[in-house]
Amino acid sequence: DAKTTQPTSMDCAEGRAANLPCNHSTISGNEYVYWYRQIHSQGPQYIIHGLKNNETNEMASLIITEDRKSSTLILPHATLRDTAVYYCIVRPLSGGGADGLTFGKGTHLIIQP
Amino acid sequence: NAGVTQTPKFQVLKTGQSMTLQCAQDMNHEYMSWYRQDPGMGLRLIHYSVGAGITDQGEVPNGYNVSRSTTEDFPLRLLSAAPSQTSVYFCASRPGTSGRATDTQYFGPGTRLTVL
Repeated sequence: DAKTTQPTSMDCAEGRAANLPCNHSTISGNEYVYWYRQIHSQGPQYIIHGLKNNETNEMASLIITEDRKSSTLILPHATLRDTAVYYCIVRPLSGGGADGLTFGKGTHLIIQP
Repeated sequence: NAGVTQTPKFQVLKTGQSMTLQCAQDMNHEYMSWYRQDPGMGLRLIHYSVGAGITDQGEVPNGYNVSRSTTEDFPLRLLSAAPSQTSVYFCASRPGTSGRATDTQYFGPGTRLTVL
């Protein structure tokens, strides 16, 4: 799996957009960008994934640069419940086998009231 | 659907004891896996299964056994607990194992294990 680099922590005011960056300069052409988050003492939760086009769902938007070497996860209106560790992961779309997700240390996002 | 369930939520063992962590899912998912998470660290894959009767090792399999006799259940056995196995254990599942399957994994709430 390609290596990702994320800031250790970030703060964001409640109600504002939270923009979480991720660098993945060694990403391969067949690798997707996935985002998961882990709220304290809970299991990780899937947020979104994409290949090269920007993606949006009910939770967030994913912006991938044209060269695919970096991406940004956007939480449009952050709430206190969005305080969590956010993991950026790059890997091929599942093909079976040991395709466990490789979690780094992620970004600890703290939403301030 | 209950999703992915794990029991127990907390467990304390003495060194050398054995136990089984239970994991079940009611979504008819083919793929199931076990991870451990140590303080301040990401998750590491212990064992996984691509279907009933099929299991394989992940990144850190030593000291753990698994079996998959049904689609729904994927228990993790600690044969002889050691303090190094103190961790939070997460079970996960996802729909399929083919190249078209989404990699959206669903995680259980975790089991917090302490080995004294």
